[in-house]
Amino acid sequence: EVVLTQSPGTLSLSPGERATLSCRASQSVSSNYLAWYQQKPGQAPRLLIYGASSRATGIPDRFSGSGSGTDFTLTISRLEPEDFAVYYCQQYNTSPWTFGQGTKLEIK
Amino acid sequence: EVQVLESGGGLVQPGGSLRLSCATSGFTFNNFAMTWVRQSPGKGLEWVSTISGSAESTYYADPVKGRFTISRDNSKNTLFLQMNSLRGEDTAIYYCAKDLGGLRGNDFWGQGTLVTVSS
Repeated sequence: EVVLTQSPGTLSLSPGERATLSCRASQSVSSNYLAWYQQKPGQAPRLLIYGASSRATGIPDRFSGSGSGTDFTLTISRLEPEDFAVYYCQQYNTSPWTFGQGTKLEIK
Repeated sequence: EVQVLESGGGLVQPGGSLRLSCATSGFTFNNFAMTWVRQSPGKGLEWVSTISGSAESTYYADPVKGRFTISRDNSKNTLFLQMNSLRGEDTAIYYCAKDLGGLRGNDFWGQGTLVTVSS
C-alpha cells in the first residue's frame, strides 16, 4: 500500500500569504495519478488538482501543483479567506487508492 | 449540470447490513468509473471502493474487502454499495464520487450519507 504523508499537519497563515503544502509518498507515484482536494467543514471534498499539476475546472490560478516521484506540493500563491480549509492528497497509481492524512490550513 | 445524490444511510446494529444508493444525472454514466469514499467523525478521507464504467472491474480497500460490494445499474444511472457484517469502525459519512476520467481524480461528489453502526 502506498502511504501518503502530508506536512505540516496544521499550517497557520494570514490572508495574502503564500501556502506550501507537502505530500510525500512511500513509493513512487506516477504524476498522472496524484490529486489534491480541498474540504471545508460540513462539505464534500472538492477536486483542485489532478495529474499532479493540472487545475480542475473552475479552480482559481492561485492554486498550483507540482512534483514527481515521491514528493508533491500544493501551492496557494496568495491566500484568500475562503482558502482556509483541510487539504488532502490522493494517489491513484496503485490500488488501494490512498489519501494522505490531511493538512489543516488555519487563519493566523 | 452534474448531480450526485446519496441515500440509504442510517443507524444499524453491529453485524447488520445496509445498502447505499447514489443517483446521478447530467453526464453519460456508463462512461465513467464511480467511487465510494468515507469519512469517520472528525477524521480524514478513506477510499472505500471503485467500479469501472462497464462494471467489469471493481476495487476495494482492505478493511471492507469481503464485506462490502460495489455495483451499478447503468440503465438507471445509479451506483450502489452493499455493506454486510457492519462494525463500529464503519461508522462514517459515505460519499459517492464521479471519476474525472482515466482514474485521475473525482470531480463531482455528493453531499454524503451518514452510516452509524451501534447497538
